[in-house]
Amino acid sequence: AQSVTQLGSHVSVSEGALVLLRCNYSSSVPPYLFWYVQYPNQGLQLLLKYTTGATLVKGINGFEAEFKKSETSFHLTKPSAHMSDAAEYFCAVSDGNTPLVFGKGTRLSVIA
Amino acid sequence: GAGVSQTPSNKVTEKGKYVELRCDPISGHTALYWYRQSLGQGPEFLIYFQGTGAADDSGLPNDRFFAVRPEGSVSTLKIQRTERGDSAVYLCASSLNSGWAYEQYFGPGTRLTVT
Repeated sequence: AQSVTQLGSHVSVSEGALVLLRCNYSSSVPPYLFWYVQYPNQGLQLLLKYTTGATLVKGINGFEAEFKKSETSFHLTKPSAHMSDAAEYFCAVSDGNTPLVFGKGTRLSVIA
Repeated sequence: GAGVSQTPSNKVTEKGKYVELRCDPISGHTALYWYRQSLGQGPEFLIYFQGTGAADDSGLPNDRFFAVRPEGSVSTLKIQRTERGDSAVYLCASSLNSGWAYEQYFGPGTRLTVT
């Protein structure tokens, strides 16, 4: 069975600082990995995904994530935080044949 | 274009009552998914439709929960004999292609409160 662990339920960064949101997964087969963002009172929106190929994945709004098989990680980064990045972020995993499993989420706060 | 819509946005019901939650997917999307999100948790899978049929209903917690998609578009999640533990945000998503590798587009959810 797959699982996702997001370290840190709440992360706070200053505007302009590096954003690092951590995601570790377990999967018995090569996984499909996703990061979704949820703004207040809105649906989840896909930031980026890894299926196959290049392990460094670039997404929308300047975010990127790197698939590291040896570390079973898929951490999300952004070089410079913006106030509009404040939201809840969810990492999710699937083996392709079974439903997505989501982490518990990390709430990102950006301080001016 | 229009995204995934869900109605109602909020639903308050008494314990033991029956509720229906509606999802209108993006036009042309063949796959439709229902999730439940409890406070402080990530979305939890309930059921997945490919066209009109349920391709995977392994996430439905018990037989009080049922969902239909009779014409391969709109879907209704039905909950019988509601319990206070059913209180959560129910999310619907759709995707152009079926399968777990594809991007899912989420609606804003229906917040269900069982009193």
